[in-house]
Amino acid sequence: GAGVSQSPSNKVTEKGKDVELRCDPISGHTALYWYRQSLGQGLEFLIYFQGNSAPDKSGLPSDRFSAERTGGSVSTLTIQRTQQEDSAVYLCASSPPWGGDEQYFGPGTRLTVT
Amino acid sequence: AQRVTQPEKLLSVFKGAPVELKCNYSYSGSPELFWYVQYSRQRLQLLLRHISRESIKGFTADLNKGETSFHLKKPFAQEEDSAMYYCALSGRLSGGGNKLTFGTGTQLKVEL
Repeated sequence: GAGVSQSPSNKVTEKGKDVELRCDPISGHTALYWYRQSLGQGLEFLIYFQGNSAPDKSGLPSDRFSAERTGGSVSTLTIQRTQQEDSAVYLCASSPPWGGDEQYFGPGTRLTVT
Repeated sequence: AQRVTQPEKLLSVFKGAPVELKCNYSYSGSPELFWYVQYSRQRLQLLLRHISRESIKGFTADLNKGETSFHLKKPFAQEEDSAMYYCALSGRLSGGGNKLTFGTGTQLKVEL
């Protein structure tokens, strides 16, 4: 079946603008994660959703970042008033509900803030 | 705080030579460790996990709690092994999920 999909694949925005990044997890996967990979850095955990439960937002770097997940499926990561340091690849991953620790990653969205 | 260190940004070996990608971790508790791989123009994918104690594509990794290491090894490198390799440590999140803490990755280049 189809894997995790993300859109857009690339996004260039001006400093101060808001952006929305979308993630479609694998059908049936209840867990959804957002990570960020800045240049020269490892992947950094941002936020985790499990079904319809309240998300774990412990990795969000500032209150300019928020995310929601509608209907336990599609997720949107929103960055308000973007800064140049927000430039990174944003990765989404999902996991099935039947246990196991494997996370299935999407292709990522490359965000460039000019 | 959990942390993963991959000291080598780039590792270049000749085809048929042994490969060892280093990974050290810091974690208070019983760690769950993984190796993820990203081939050129492909998405990040799981290569192996320590609890499975399996060999995938000829790669193995042994957890050494005394040295807090989880090095990835392969006795004979193949050209198709060229990729970016990430070591990752799993920590439990509220709600039962697993937050992965990644190292900065090692680019493996296998030369003919």
